[in-house]
Amino acid sequence: NAGVTQTPKFQVLKTGQSMTLQCAQDMNHEYMSWYRQDPGMGLRLIHYSVGAGITDQGEVPNGYNVSRSTTEDFPLRLLSAAPSQTSVYFCASSYSRTSGGNEQFFGPGTRLTVL
Amino acid sequence: QKEVEQDPGPLSVPEGAIVSLNCTYSNSAFQYFMWYRQYSRKGPELLMYTYSSGNKEDGRFTAQVDKSSKYISLFIRDSQPSDSATYLCAIPPDRGSTLGRLYFGRGTQLTVWP
Repeated sequence: NAGVTQTPKFQVLKTGQSMTLQCAQDMNHEYMSWYRQDPGMGLRLIHYSVGAGITDQGEVPNGYNVSRSTTEDFPLRLLSAAPSQTSVYFCASSYSRTSGGNEQFFGPGTRLTVL
Repeated sequence: QKEVEQDPGPLSVPEGAIVSLNCTYSNSAFQYFMWYRQYSRKGPELLMYTYSSGNKEDGRFTAQVDKSSKYISLFIRDSQPSDSATYLCAIPPDRGSTLGRLYFGRGTQLTVWP
């Protein structure tokens, strides 16, 4: 059971380049999400998904796209990288029980630098 | 108003001190309260989880909820250098289309020095 995996661990991009951050989980979780973490800003939700084929925006969705074609995978696409997207990106997954209190499991993060 | 507010610190204490970490929240309907711990260059991991009001103890850690003032606390007794991390409070909505989501505080960076 690998939990939540993310690739790559580190990435340097030039302004205007595009790339995809990969996220996969093997716990059969319905809910998956992407956060960015910046100093002093905490975790900010970018996009989330409550199941295959269903995605929605979080607090800071601009400049990012997501899709969820399978339960396991939830890639995050940067369309045209900007220096303001320099950050640490975390993917997380959880069950989506109606009773609440769902523990989110986090991946190890991707450190992205945009020059 | 944000759903969860947390003072980011930083907080620096000597080994053996009692640490108090706190958050406030806005929605009186919240029922579940979580604390995550994040070591440097790692993803957050769930530390403790409480439901409704009262205290929950796990070793040196105690989570406390005061629903009347919408205030949650995490106490660390006999703090150790290995407790040095960022601590984030988190609260899930328990109904609606965002099930699974968590509202996170900004996190408090704690350093325990020997």
